[in-house]
Amino acid sequence: DAKTTQPPSMDCAEGRAANLPCNHSTISGNEYVYWYRQIHSQGPQYIIHGLKNNETNEMASLIITEDRKSSTLILPHATLRDTAVYYCIVRDSGAGSYQLTFGKGTKLSVIP
Amino acid sequence: DTAVSQTPKYLVTQMGNDKSIKCEQNLGHDTMYWYKQDSKKFLKIMFSYNNKELIINETVPNRFSPKSPDKAHLNLHINSLELGDSAVYFCASSQGTVEAQYFGPGTRLLVL
Repeated sequence: DAKTTQPPSMDCAEGRAANLPCNHSTISGNEYVYWYRQIHSQGPQYIIHGLKNNETNEMASLIITEDRKSSTLILPHATLRDTAVYYCIVRDSGAGSYQLTFGKGTKLSVIP
Repeated sequence: DTAVSQTPKYLVTQMGNDKSIKCEQNLGHDTMYWYKQDSKKFLKIMFSYNNKELIINETVPNRFSPKSPDKAHLNLHINSLELGDSAVYFCASSQGTVEAQYFGPGTRLLVL
């Protein structure tokens, strides 16, 4: 079962920042937060992941609260091609914890 | 170059048949996976395969069997196909347990 809670859907105006929240109140100390997205009919695409510190890459920024019970994925300048279902996943880094457990995700619609 | 490739892209077959889906990754990763995405879009892990160690999701029927001829390939064999097997099957790979998983484009299986 997914250990995260996300809003089912969000809209964002094209060119604006998209802020996608995720609650993971039961996260443990050795669990990472991962974000993936799935554009219609395609395979899931990795976006970013982090443990404690905020992370940034060419796609997005990940802001993790100090108590690690929630996080926010930020797409700084959303485009129409960012319309997708975004999944927030908590995963143990230990041996044997290979799989990702996907929840329902947030369907982000970027509007022209 | 495609990082994770799957063949075929579409597969339509009759109940009771046996079929295989092939997956290849050219990323040099040591871990490969099979996921199933049903009609409700839930994405669930089926198998993980790391350095000859197979980790099986216990909910997967034993009609499904992964076979890994080498680290770059993880094929999925399905015996006695059933209507409920109709879904999109995604292959993925990663290096180790923490790093990102890269997904293939999916194989759309329809059992008639």
